[in-house]
Amino acid sequence: DSGVTQTPKHLITATGQRVTLRCSPRSGDLSVYWYQQSLDQGLQFLIQYYNGEERAKGNILERFSAQQFPDLHSELNLSSLELGDSALYFCASSVGVGVSNEKLFFGSGTQLSVL
Amino acid sequence: DQQVKQNSPSLSVQEGRISILNCDYTNSMFDYFLWYKKYPAEGPTFLISISSIKDKNEDGRFTVFLNKSAKHLSLHIVPSQPGDSAVYFCAASAIYAGGSEKLVFGKGTKLTVNP
Repeated sequence: DSGVTQTPKHLITATGQRVTLRCSPRSGDLSVYWYQQSLDQGLQFLIQYYNGEERAKGNILERFSAQQFPDLHSELNLSSLELGDSALYFCASSVGVGVSNEKLFFGSGTQLSVL
Repeated sequence: DQQVKQNSPSLSVQEGRISILNCDYTNSMFDYFLWYKKYPAEGPTFLISISSIKDKNEDGRFTVFLNKSAKHLSLHIVPSQPGDSAVYFCAASAIYAGGSEKLVFGKGTKLTVNP
C-alpha cells in the first residue's frame, strides 16, 4: 500500500460529460502529481501541485483542470469528455517539489471509460 | 515526441537468469534517471535511480547502467525471480524553464520470469 488513495477506482461515462477524480496523498506529502496512461502509451505527465500551488504543467488539455485543496487532497476535473480520454489516471505524491531526488508514491489509479 | 523510449514491449526470461531491460533517451538535458515497477491493478513503485554523474548504481539484485554518450540506460536483474514479473518503466527528469522539474516516462517493458 503506497498510502496514496484514489477514488473512484472505475468510472464509466458518456462523451460530453464531466467527471472529477479525487486523490489523497500520503500523510506528510505536499506534492501531488497527475499522470495519464492511455492504451499503449507510457505515463504522460499532466500537472503537479505543491502545497496548494501549481508547480509544473505537462501535456494537460484545456478541457482538464486540477486543484489542490488546503487539506492537500487533489481533484482532477475532466470535461467535455471524448472517447480518446479513456485511460488510466494515476495520482502520485511526494514530500517536496523534486521528482529526481525524491521518490514518487503512486495510487492504484482511476480507470476512466468514455462510451 | 517520445523522449524516453523502451523499444521492447516485452521480455521473457528463465528464473535464475539475468534480465536486461533497455531504455534510450533523446533529451540531453535529462540529469536523473529512474526505474519504476508496476504490478497489475497497482500503481508504479520506485525501484532504483541513477544520477547523470554516475555510470552505475546497484541495489541488491538490481543494477542500473548509464551510458551518457549513447543516451542509453539499462536495468539488470540478477538473478531473476518469478516475483519480478511486472511492467518496468524507465523515466528521466530534467529541470525546465521556471525551475519546474518533470518526470518523463517510457511506455514500459513487460517482464515475465518463468519458473
